[in-house]
Amino acid sequence: EAGVVQSPRYKIIEKKQPVAFWCNPISGHNTLYWYLQNLGQGPELLIRYENEEAVDDSQLPKDRFSAERLKGVDSTLKIQPAELGDSAVYLCASSLRRGPGKVGGELFFGEGSRLTVL
Amino acid sequence: SQQGEEDPQALSIQEGENATMNCSYKTSINNLQWYRQNSGRGLVHLILIRSNEREKHSGRLRVTLDTSKKSSSLLITASRAADTASYFCATDGKYGNKLVFGAGTILRVKS
Repeated sequence: EAGVVQSPRYKIIEKKQPVAFWCNPISGHNTLYWYLQNLGQGPELLIRYENEEAVDDSQLPKDRFSAERLKGVDSTLKIQPAELGDSAVYLCASSLRRGPGKVGGELFFGEGSRLTVL
Repeated sequence: SQQGEEDPQALSIQEGENATMNCSYKTSINNLQWYRQNSGRGLVHLILIRSNEREKHSGRLRVTLDTSKKSSSLLITASRAADTASYFCATDGKYGNKLVFGAGTILRVKS
């Protein structure tokens, strides 16, 4: 079974440029997450989707970040314009059941997209 | 914001020794999970322990949970060089569906 697929793995851009990350979750997983991970820190949730509905986007900086999950499968996270402080790893994860609070609610992570903003 | 705090921040041991990492958290939880992250890779789920469980085993892993002290520990027995990674605890709050990660413990196993 294929895992969570993310692209690109690495992206280097200049500040004020736009950037987009793509995620394909594990087939059948209705819950999709985007996490931000700074160097030496744990992942921090940006947004969580249940199917195509964003049910928790309270930590998403909406002035420059946007996300979508069309047809409840693939998802795209966009930053426009990027700032120096956005340099980080953007992790996508999916889970089978609704939220991590249920039995079997472990998350399956992709390899991440490492963003460097110059 | 990060709910869990791992201790120690970094740990260096010899192959064959046991490694113990601790996690403390602040609010009531539904369950607690441990994940491993190899350098430059995504996180991999290791084990989940529910709030009504006190101890759980999986291969060379042993996890304990003390809800009265709001703490958990992860023990890796007979460590191997391949266990070198960062280890994160993650808590699932009692009233929300949000998994919150700690800052992690960096484990280095020397061969």
